[in-house]
Amino acid sequence: GEQVEQRPPHLSVREGDSAFITCTYTDPNSYYFFWYKQEPGASLQLLMKVFSSTEINEGQGFTVLLNKKDKRLSLNLTAAHPGDSAAYFCAVPDSGYNKLTFGKGTVLLVSP
Amino acid sequence: NSKVIQTPRYLVKGQGQKAKMRCIPEKGHPVVFWYQQNKNNEFKFLINFQNQEVLQQIDMTEKRFSAECPSNSPCSLEIQSSEAGDSALYLCASSPGGNTEVFFGKGTRLTVV
Repeated sequence: GEQVEQRPPHLSVREGDSAFITCTYTDPNSYYFFWYKQEPGASLQLLMKVFSSTEINEGQGFTVLLNKKDKRLSLNLTAAHPGDSAAYFCAVPDSGYNKLTFGKGTVLLVSP
Repeated sequence: NSKVIQTPRYLVKGQGQKAKMRCIPEKGHPVVFWYQQNKNNEFKFLINFQNQEVLQQIDMTEKRFSAECPSNSPCSLEIQSSEAGDSALYLCASSPGGNTEVFFGKGTRLTVV
């Protein structure tokens, strides 16, 4: 089945810096992907759904890059602020019933 | 904002006790998932449904866990005999199906003492 590796497990940046998180996946047939944000004590908030047809996806304050050749999905938070402090997870649906395989998460801390 | 409703938010059970949690999926979402998130942030898929039918489930779910999504009632996940290793955040999610977004509830945090 699909395997997803996410790096780094922890990331600490200063306010205004960029934060870069990467996931690699194994199934070359995967064609859409999710990024979720989880604040402490809260549920998973969907940040973005990305299709494999689009390599660059712009969100509010972040960019998602997809490199199909390397099977790599990246989340770049530009100009991070303390409110971005949370755990971030990539998730890849399987080709059958859309069961999600999650990365192990990145805990991001943005300090003022 | 997700409209998946999970109850209770917190659940404390003794070892060997039953633990039951409920989920109301977002209206119009026939596909429901249950995941377990442990203290290391690792997710484990448990089971998913389309309407009332089970689509996939893991072995663990077949043995001590039971789940259902009856029509016109909340979905539920029940652990028949709780073990310490079951302490985790249980997340319910729903989806319209197909290649669409999956939305999560706030979860039920189970502590088995």
